[in-house]
Amino acid sequence: NAGVTQTPKFQVLKTGQSMTLQCAQDMNHNSMYWYRQDPGMGLRLIYYSASEGTTDKGEVPNGYNVSRLNKREFSLRLESAAPSQTSVYFCASSVDNYSNQPQHFGDGTRLSIL
Amino acid sequence: GENVEQHPSTLSVQEGDSAVIKCTYSDSASNYFPWYKQELGKRPQLIIDIRSNVGEKKDQRIAVTLNKTAKHFSLHITETQPEDSAVYFCAARSGHASGGSYIPTFGRGTSLIVHP
Repeated sequence: NAGVTQTPKFQVLKTGQSMTLQCAQDMNHNSMYWYRQDPGMGLRLIYYSASEGTTDKGEVPNGYNVSRLNKREFSLRLESAAPSQTSVYFCASSVDNYSNQPQHFGDGTRLSIL
Repeated sequence: GENVEQHPSTLSVQEGDSAVIKCTYSDSASNYFPWYKQELGKRPQLIIDIRSNVGEKKDQRIAVTLNKTAKHFSLHITETQPEDSAVYFCAARSGHASGGSYIPTFGRGTSLIVHP
C-alpha cells in the first residue's frame, strides 16, 4: 500500500517548456488535490477533483491544467512554464470532500523553472 | 470563503518545554480542524484532528483545543523533543459547500525548533 505516489520527484525546466506532473493513489479515495508550497505561503490549492469525472479550480489555477484520468490518477500540466511556477508541488487525496476525513499527501515534486 | 490565520510563524523552545501554536478561522460553519506536521523535505502528515462537537482531544504528548465561540483552535505539544522540530500546519474545513465542495483552508505554517 504505497498511498499517494508522485512522479517525478525533481525537475528542472526552461521557461516556455511544458510538462505533466503525475499522481496516483491506491487507497480507493474519491477526491484528489494539487497544491503548491512556497516559503511562508503554506499550501495553496491549485485544482481539485471531488470525484472521478469532475475537476474544479482552487485558489491559484492560472497557468495550470488538470486531468482526472481515472479514480486513481490525477495529473497536473504546465503548458508554458514560467519562473513564478518554481515551487514544490504536492498531490493529496481523501476519502471524499464532504466528510471530516484528513488528506493524505504524496512526497512532492520539486520543480525549478529557469 | 474561509480564512485561517496561524501564529507564531516561528517558535523556538528548549527540549522539555511546552509549545503552543494558535490558529483562528473566519467561517463559523467550519467543523473539521486537522493539524499536519511536515519535516524538512518531507510530505505533510496528519498528527491530530478535532471535530466541532469536541472541545479537546489528546494523543500522548500532543493535544488540540477548540473554542468555537471565539473561532480559534490550538495545538499543544508537551515535553518537546528534538524530533518534534518541523513545520506545523493547521487547517479548517467549512461545513458549507463552496462551489459544491468542502475544501480545507490551510494556515501558513509554524516552524518549531526544539533545541537540545
